[in-house]
Amino acid sequence: DVKVTQSSRYLVKRTGEKVFLECVQDMDHENMFWYRQDPGLGLRLIYFSYDVKMKEKGDIPEGYSVSREKKERFSLILESASTNQTSMYLCASSLSGGGRQPQHFGDGTRLSIL
Amino acid sequence: AQRVTQPEKLLSVFKGAPVELKCNYSYSGSPELFWYVQYSRQRLQLLLRHISRESIKGFTADLNKGETSFHLKKPFAQEEDSAMYYCALMAGGTSYGKLTFGQGTILTVHP
Repeated sequence: DVKVTQSSRYLVKRTGEKVFLECVQDMDHENMFWYRQDPGLGLRLIYFSYDVKMKEKGDIPEGYSVSREKKERFSLILESASTNQTSMYLCASSLSGGGRQPQHFGDGTRLSIL
Repeated sequence: AQRVTQPEKLLSVFKGAPVELKCNYSYSGSPELFWYVQYSRQRLQLLLRHISRESIKGFTADLNKGETSFHLKKPFAQEEDSAMYYCALMAGGTSYGKLTFGQGTILTVHP
């Protein structure tokens, strides 16, 4: 069974801090994704990565960056946290190759910026 | 660009009643459609995908390319079906497996 692990379930930070959200998957998946989940807006893609050191912007990348130094780990960075980044953040991974493979999700990190 | 619309934010039914969660999409190519479900305090998980054409937990969904819809249906709702449901679309080509999600529908099944 695929396991996607997010380092924190709940996180509270202050405005202006640099925040790191970590995600690890154990199934050797090539693709990894970061979403934020907000009521009434669904899931919106922030960034994704299809290989080590490769990254692509999603629909709402402003204020965020990512890092993928190893295949199993994908980090989301809030460069200078702001209150409008208070949200639930979900990490996901999927296989690449032929066929369109479903994504597998972590438990999420509920981030509050004060 | 693709878009997924779930017109109902909230849907309430009584146990044993039929339920239909609506999903409409816009995409010029041949899409792959998914339904994901998130039960209370659990992670988002795949419920079903149109290419599998299978029934999961009594739910089915048929891709209607003419109406660009992928509605989720169950003939007899159960209380344990109460959850948040998301419809999602995966484009073809080099999409790297990206999903475009709808806004989600909260289903409540009353006893």
